[in-house]
Amino acid sequence: DSGVTQTPKHLITATGQRVTLRCSPRSGDLSVYWYQQSLDQGLQFLIQYYNGEERAKGNILERFSAQQFPDLHSELNLSSLELGDSALYFCASSVVAEGMNTEAFFGQGTRLTVV
Amino acid sequence: AQSVTQPDIHITVSEGASLELRCNYSYGATPYLFWYVQSPGQGLQLLLKYFSGDTLVQGIKGFEAEFKRSQSSFNLRKPSVHWSDAAEYFCAARASKLTFGTGTRLQVTL
Repeated sequence: DSGVTQTPKHLITATGQRVTLRCSPRSGDLSVYWYQQSLDQGLQFLIQYYNGEERAKGNILERFSAQQFPDLHSELNLSSLELGDSALYFCASSVVAEGMNTEAFFGQGTRLTVV
Repeated sequence: AQSVTQPDIHITVSEGASLELRCNYSYGATPYLFWYVQSPGQGLQLLLKYFSGDTLVQGIKGFEAEFKRSQSSFNLRKPSVHWSDAAEYFCAARASKLTFGTGTRLQVTL
C-alpha cells in the first residue's frame, strides 16, 4: 500500500458527461501529480500541484482541470467526455516539488470507461 | 526534448533465467532515474531509484539497476526471474517533471 488513495476505482459514464476523480496523497506529501495511462499513449503526465498551487502542466486537455485543496487532497475534473478519454488515471504524491531527489508514490488508479 | 526510451516492448524469459530491461534517457544533464513495476490492474510500485553516488543501485524484490553516464542508460537487472515478476516495467526520469518510458511487458514462462 503506497498510502495514496484514489476514488472511485472504476467509473463508467456516457459521452458528453462530466466526472470528478479524487486523490488523497500520502500523509505529509505536498505534491500531487496526475497521469493518464492509455494503450496508445502510455503514461502521460497531466498536471502537478504543490501545496495548493499549480506547479507544472503536461499534456492536459482544456476539457480537463484539476485543483488541490487546503487539506492537500486533489480532484481531477474531466468534462465533455469522449470515447478516447477512456483510460486509467493515476494520482501520485511526493514530499516536495519537482527537481528534488524524492520519488513519487502512486495510487491504484481510477479506471474510466466512456461509453 | 527530454525523453525516456525503453526499446523492448515485450520480453519473455524462463523462470530462473536472468533478466535485463533496457532504458535510455535523453536529457541535458543527468536526471533522477527510477524503475517502477505495474502488475495487472494495479498501480505503479517503485523498484529502485538513482540520484547520485554508486552507479549500481539495489532495489526491492531482488532487482538492481546500473547507471552508465557514457551510454545514457539505466538498465534493470535480476539474476533469476520468478514467475511472480511477470508485469509491466517502466523506466522514468525526472528533471523538471517525471517522464516515463513506454514500458516493457515481461512474460515469464515456467
